[in-house]
Amino acid sequence: LAKTTQPISMDSYEGQEVNITCSHNNIATNDYITWYQQFPSQGPRFIIQGYKTKVTNEVASLFIPADRKSSTLSLPRVSLSDTAVYYCLVQRYNTDKLIFGTGTRLQVFP
Amino acid sequence: SQTIHQWPATLVQPVGSPLSLECTVEGTSNPNLYWYRQAAGRGLQLLFYSVGIGQISSEVPQNLSASRPQDRQFILSSKKLLLSDSGFYLCAWMTEGTGGSGYTFGSGTRLTVV
Repeated sequence: LAKTTQPISMDSYEGQEVNITCSHNNIATNDYITWYQQFPSQGPRFIIQGYKTKVTNEVASLFIPADRKSSTLSLPRVSLSDTAVYYCLVQRYNTDKLIFGTGTRLQVFP
Repeated sequence: SQTIHQWPATLVQPVGSPLSLECTVEGTSNPNLYWYRQAAGRGLQLLFYSVGIGQISSEVPQNLSASRPQDRQFILSSKKLLLSDSGFYLCAWMTEGTGGSGYTFGSGTRLTVV
């Protein structure tokens, strides 16, 4: 499994765009990049997944450069309710286990 | 619909006491099931996973054990709790064929060992 590195914490203000970058230098051809969000005292929930280029859904965008050695989760116009821990994971598709790192703790201020 | 149930929500247990946490899923068959633990301020640590009845894989040597007596039931146990067993325990199941996006987590059990 490719090791991921992401900032321990980030601060932002309501209405701003937040970009969280994750490094995964040893990503393999069969690996996908997946992001999860965890609120305090809750289990993580899936946000977005991608393989290359750009993926967008109603919650976030995921940018993956051509070399796939990093990825950036973009949260547009964050609100206080986006305060959470965000995990970047690199996994083989159809893997039978999900390995989490320490994540990025995002704090959104009013 | 597919749901996952986990109980109890909170638990305070003395050191040396036994533990049993239960997780059940509905609306699916033969799911992959997982137990994770999150210590205070830390990331999630995979403890056990199961791909079928009676099939348990342990990720980290510890004071805990897991069992899967039925297809949709996953139990986390300990014979004697340690202070270091305190944490937030999460059960999860995975939908096949969805890669890393198909994990659904329960609401968790916050265990405090005193």
